[in-house]
Amino acid sequence: GAGVSQSPSNKVTEKGKDVELRCDPISGHTALYWYRQSLGQGLEFLIYFQGNSAPDKSGLPSDRFSAERTGGSVSTLTIQRTQQEDSAVYLCASSLALRDTQYFGPGTRLTVL
Amino acid sequence: GQQLNQSPQSMFIQEGEDVSMNCTSSSIFNTWLWYKQDPGEGPVLLIALYKAGELTSNGRLTAQFGITRKDSFLNISASIPSDVGIYFCAGSGTYKYIFGTGTRLKVLA
Repeated sequence: GAGVSQSPSNKVTEKGKDVELRCDPISGHTALYWYRQSLGQGLEFLIYFQGNSAPDKSGLPSDRFSAERTGGSVSTLTIQRTQQEDSAVYLCASSLALRDTQYFGPGTRLTVL
Repeated sequence: GQQLNQSPQSMFIQEGEDVSMNCTSSSIFNTWLWYKQDPGEGPVLLIALYKAGELTSNGRLTAQFGITRKDSFLNISASIPSDVGIYFCAGSGTYKYIFGTGTRLKVLA
């Protein structure tokens, strides 16, 4: 596609439920990044992919968070047993290669009740 | 997580005024980026800087990569109401971009 797309745009869930967030990067971009943005805050790095592998998972807040990328394209971020503090906007970005400029999707706003 | 020091945190200005904001880091970076984020949207790239001392313009926006490689500046000239939003800097040494805390800009008509 022309840009990075994310789905759903909004997700409301109950505490304890699992959620999956999807990111479609720009076609041909090998690097993909996930960030979290809490209300009024900057961007917090979660994880990045180079191809299908994730060399750096250091930003994932807990073992309830996981991400995968298949076929070097679409990525899903999964949050298990959601907590209220997980409420935030989850942003995905992609770049042609590592260290190249990152282009962001519109984000998924997650609300955990 | 780790973040850059970005200032000011917020500012109100009159339409037509010039605006300046900056980011500083304790680490040396090889790349600086400036993004703008509108409400409900993802950040959009404004300017990318790849070399120390580099000065780059994009319309009314001008950004500079500090000589020390630990800071960067963004200037907006003759601000207009649609400049309102949150401006983020981002610095990278390797693969990971560290983002500033953002400058929230409000333009008074």
